Amino acid sequence: EPEVTQTPSHQVTQMGQEVILRCVPISNHLYFYWYRQILGQKVEFLVSFYNNEISEKSEIFDDQFSVERPDGSNFTLKIRSTKLEDSAMYFCASDSEGYNEQFFGPGTRLTVL
Amino acid sequence: GIQVEQSPPDLILQEGANSTLRCNFSDSVNNLQWFHQNPWGQLINLFYIPSGTKQNGRLSATTVATERYSLLYISSSQTTDSGVYFCAVERDNYGQNFVFGPGTRLSVLP
Repeated sequence: EPEVTQTPSHQVTQMGQEVILRCVPISNHLYFYWYRQILGQKVEFLVSFYNNEISEKSEIFDDQFSVERPDGSNFTLKIRSTKLEDSAMYFCASDSEGYNEQFFGPGTRLTVL
Repeated sequence: GIQVEQSPPDLILQEGANSTLRCNFSDSVNNLQWFHQNPWGQLINLFYIPSGTKQNGRLSATTVATERYSLLYISSSQTTDSGVYFCAVERDNYGQNFVFGPGTRLSVLP
């Protein structure tokens, strides 16, 4: 069964460093998403991406964040200069048409020291 | 924006017991999903259920979209059912992103 994959599973970085989180969505899906979950809190939407551009973003998704689909399979989230409060689990998701079932990856746990 | 509430916030059960988890939402939706977050933090997709009833083994779910709620039923609970259960909704005609509820933390004791 096709699934969304994410790498790395855990990333530790120093405050101020750049990180790139990687996702491979399900191959025939067209809509891609990033969500994050700070430890002990609920899951929050960051950004959605369709047709090679951002379709929607939340207030959390400020200038420090960017997304890219560098090739036909990968979908990345970059944080330019990490802060302590960026420590969270980051989930990638995809769906085939928008307004359909979203499939989530296993997450990347980001720890900023 | 849309408000999503889940109840109860915490639930402790003995193994073998049944339970009902509730999700209320404040506006019309065109997508609703239930997830189980396991101890490793992974979100396991349980049901895609914008309306109607579905069953998968010991779990079933019902969404009554017109009354803005969904229920998740767990029967004959097992210790492996422990974790946090989230419902997430996509607001009708308002983009494709999910708004998650705060979750119900379920502990099943042996």
